[in-house]
Amino acid sequence: EAGVTQSPTHLIKTRGQQATLRCSPISGHTSVYWYQQALGLGLQFLLWYDEGEERNRGNFPPRFSGRQFPNYSSELNVNALELEDSALYLCASSLRGMSSYNEQFFGPGTRLTVL
Amino acid sequence: RKEVEQDPGPFNVPEGATVAFNCTYSNSASQSFFWYRQDCRKEPKLLMSVYSSGNEDGRFTAQLNRASQYISLLIRDSKLSDSATYLCVVNFPSGAGSYQLTFGKGTKLSVIP
Repeated sequence: EAGVTQSPTHLIKTRGQQATLRCSPISGHTSVYWYQQALGLGLQFLLWYDEGEERNRGNFPPRFSGRQFPNYSSELNVNALELEDSALYLCASSLRGMSSYNEQFFGPGTRLTVL
Repeated sequence: RKEVEQDPGPFNVPEGATVAFNCTYSNSASQSFFWYRQDCRKEPKLLMSVYSSGNEDGRFTAQLNRASQYISLLIRDSKLSDSATYLCVVNFPSGAGSYQLTFGKGTKLSVIP
């Protein structure tokens, strides 16, 4: 069974540009989560999508946004990039996320570098 | 108080040793708990889910103490391949019946030959 996939693997942008990151969940999973892991820091929750709707977002500015498509894949958009946005962006998926017991499985991540 | 707190380590242990990691969490309403491992520059991988009073999977044992809001992970007979960062993860309620995973910063383990 294929795991969570993410693209691109690496992305290099300059300050002020926009970045788009993509994620495909495990087949049968409807929930997709986005996390940011900056160097030396823990994973920070960004966004949760389920059934095409944004269900929750972490403490990040509105220039971090995304969407979930009918096939449950998801896109994370980061506008007006800043140097501190450089990080590993991880996507995870789970069965429908309203249960606290659903385990999340992670993709390999997209490493975003902002110059 | 931080939401999920772990000893950052590093823990340097010889092969075959037993090592234990501790984790405390701040929200008593938390329902579920997990341990993930993360290798350098890789994604976190689920190691164990921790339900009720704890559980065991081979060389790994996880314990949960709800009264003290404390979770532990015990690794017996350490292998070189156990070298990684171990993340304590707690599912916090975040309103409207929703939950959110909160990650500790991890404990780094190095198993030495």
